[in-house]
Amino acid sequence: DQQVKQNSPSLSVQEGRISILNCDYTNSMFDYFLWYKKYPAEGPTFLISISSIKDKNEDGRFTVFLNKSAKHLSLHIVPSQPGDSAVYFCAASGGDNDMRFGAGTRLTVKP
Amino acid sequence: EAGVAQSPRYKIIEKRQSVAFWCNPISGHATLYWYQQILGQGPKLLIQFQNNGVVDDSQLPKDRFSAERLKGVDSTLKIQPAKLEDSAVYLCASSLHPSTDTQYFGPGTRLTVL
Repeated sequence: DQQVKQNSPSLSVQEGRISILNCDYTNSMFDYFLWYKKYPAEGPTFLISISSIKDKNEDGRFTVFLNKSAKHLSLHIVPSQPGDSAVYFCAASGGDNDMRFGAGTRLTVKP
Repeated sequence: EAGVAQSPRYKIIEKRQSVAFWCNPISGHATLYWYQQILGQGPKLLIQFQNNGVVDDSQLPKDRFSAERLKGVDSTLKIQPAKLEDSAVYLCASSLHPSTDTQYFGPGTRLTVL
C-alpha cells in the first residue's frame, strides 16, 4: 500500500535555481513528515522535518511546506547547488503507523 | 558522535543460503529499526525494537527472516533460506524514542542473491 507517494522519479535543475520536490500522502493519521537525502552507497540522512501543527519549516536553503487539506508536502531548495544532487525521500508517520517512505526523487543539479 | 554502524557492506550469496547482517545503533538510542529497500523503492520497515523488545514486526516475512536485539544494543537480522527477491539494501536505523523521533540510518548492506 503506497501511503506516501513521490510521483516524480527524477528532477533536473540548473545550479542557482529553485528545486521543488513533491510528496503526497493518503493516511490522515500521519502527523509528522520528514525529508531524507541519500547519496549512492550511503544510508539516508535526515534533512528537515515538519509536524502537522505547522505549515512551513525552514532551515537554511531548505524549506518544507505542508498542505494538510491536500495531503501534500513539498521541499524547496534555494538556491540549488551541485552537491544537492541525490535521491530525496519523503517520509511520514503518526497515529499507530510506522514511518512510511516514498519511492524517492532523484535530483540532479547541473552546474 | 558515532553514527549507526552496519556490516557487512556488501554480500553476495546463492539462493537457499543463509545470511546475517549486523547493526550497532547510535549510543543511547533505545529504538532500532531494520528496513528493506528494493531498487527503485523507498525503505520498507521490517522490524522495530524498543530496547530488546519487538514493537512491530508485521511486515517481516517470519518464515525466513528473523531478528534479535538481545542486550538492547546491537542487533542482527538473518535470512534463512534466501530467495532471489530478497536482493535489496538492508538499512538499520536508530532513534532516541519511537514514533515521531528522527531516525538516523546506517550505510546499509547490499545483498545480492544469485
